[in-house]
Amino acid sequence: QVQLQESGPGLVKPSETLSLTCAVSGHSITTASYWGWIRQPPGKGLEWIGSVYYTGRLSYSPSFSSRITISLDSSENEFSLKMTALTAADTAVYYCARDTSGFLEWWEWGRGTLVTVSS
Amino acid sequence: QSALTQPASVSGSPGQSISISCIGSSRDVGGYDYVSWYQHHPGKAPKLMIYDVSKRPSGVSNRFSGSKSGNTASLTISGLQPDDEAVYYCCSYAGSYFFGYFGGGTKLTVL
Repeated sequence: QVQLQESGPGLVKPSETLSLTCAVSGHSITTASYWGWIRQPPGKGLEWIGSVYYTGRLSYSPSFSSRITISLDSSENEFSLKMTALTAADTAVYYCARDTSGFLEWWEWGRGTLVTVSS
Repeated sequence: QSALTQPASVSGSPGQSISISCIGSSRDVGGYDYVSWYQHHPGKAPKLMIYDVSKRPSGVSNRFSGSKSGNTASLTISGLQPDDEAVYYCCSYAGSYFFGYFGGGTKLTVL
């Protein structure tokens, strides 16, 4: 059973960089899967941010591509998201999830972590 | 980038059937057979209920079914149960540039 768990700071200041990590258990991140980040701003719907294939190939949403980096850490069996130049609009619950096909069909999700951008 | 359009809320009584629509375009829902649906109870991880438009993952009740006609996908839940009360999201693949979109979510209330 694949399980994912997000971790990171709950509060980030405007203009700073957000760093989130997703710890994966029950499945090696170096075997065929896509590992992705999705967020939900308060009162709004879900937004796909980007994904990394187990080979390291990256897919980023055009809405975020200029300010995000997603990477794998096989030694820790986790993957991470870095997002720069944060504003209040980036306040959201951030989820990590696994996609087996590359067509944005998310088979397992973490419970999410709330990130608030405020001074 | 635009999200897929879902009704904000639907409701039904136990035992009844309801459908939730997910309206997209020919660039997403209408162009690919990669529509998925998720059930989200507050504070929990979202759960995949339907993938590839109409397929159910192992362990998902056959009371949940998916379909697509043109640019509109639908999730139907039959024999409503109290535990079905949740927010439901659709998601569609949209090609190798935009990749995909989610709907805004539909809150299902079981009366």
